[in-house]
Amino acid sequence: DAGVIQSPRHEVTEMGQEVTLRCKPISGHNSLFWYRQTMMRGLELLIYFNNNVPIDDSGMPEDRFSAKMPNASFSTLKIQPSEPRDSAVYFCASRYTLGTQYFGPGTRLLVL
Amino acid sequence: SQQGEEDPQALSIQEGENATMNCSYKTSINNLQWYRQNSGRGLVHLILIRSNEREKHSGRLRVTLDTSKKSSSLLITASRAADTASYFCATAIRGGGTSYGKLTFGQGTILTVHP
Repeated sequence: DAGVIQSPRHEVTEMGQEVTLRCKPISGHNSLFWYRQTMMRGLELLIYFNNNVPIDDSGMPEDRFSAKMPNASFSTLKIQPSEPRDSAVYFCASRYTLGTQYFGPGTRLLVL
Repeated sequence: SQQGEEDPQALSIQEGENATMNCSYKTSINNLQWYRQNSGRGLVHLILIRSNEREKHSGRLRVTLDTSKKSSSLLITASRAADTASYFCATAIRGGGTSYGKLTFGQGTILTVHP
């Protein structure tokens, strides 16, 4: 298996632009997680899905952030409009039931 | 504050020495997991210990769990330069609702192993 796939790996954009991050979980996994990692705040859970349904989005910073999972093999995290404080590494992770979480390589986002 | 908090924040040792990292948490857990992150990379799962287990081994890794003290430790024996990374503990909280299945990560311990 290729593992969790994220794209793009790096994104540089200007403040106010829309940013879309993509994730393909491991086939057969039924839970998907979006995390954000910064030096100041560490690793934060933004939202997680179970069987494509959002279960907990309490970690989503504000309305500028939205996440979707239209099917079991694809999820997006969108920031609109983006701000410099959104600069971080965004990780997607997936797992089957309560098993091990497998992380993707991350998307390094820089908002200028 | 974080559910899982690691101690120390940074650890510097020589190759061949043992490295011990500790994690404390606040609420009852279903399990506790340790992850490793190399610089610029994603997190890699190392080991999972369930709330009814006290000790677990995997290669050079040894994890202990003391639920009465709400703490866990990760021991890496005979460390190598390649073990240099950040190590995170993560807790899966016991309970239902939206907390079920969530992992809460600590701030991590930065381990540097000098050759």
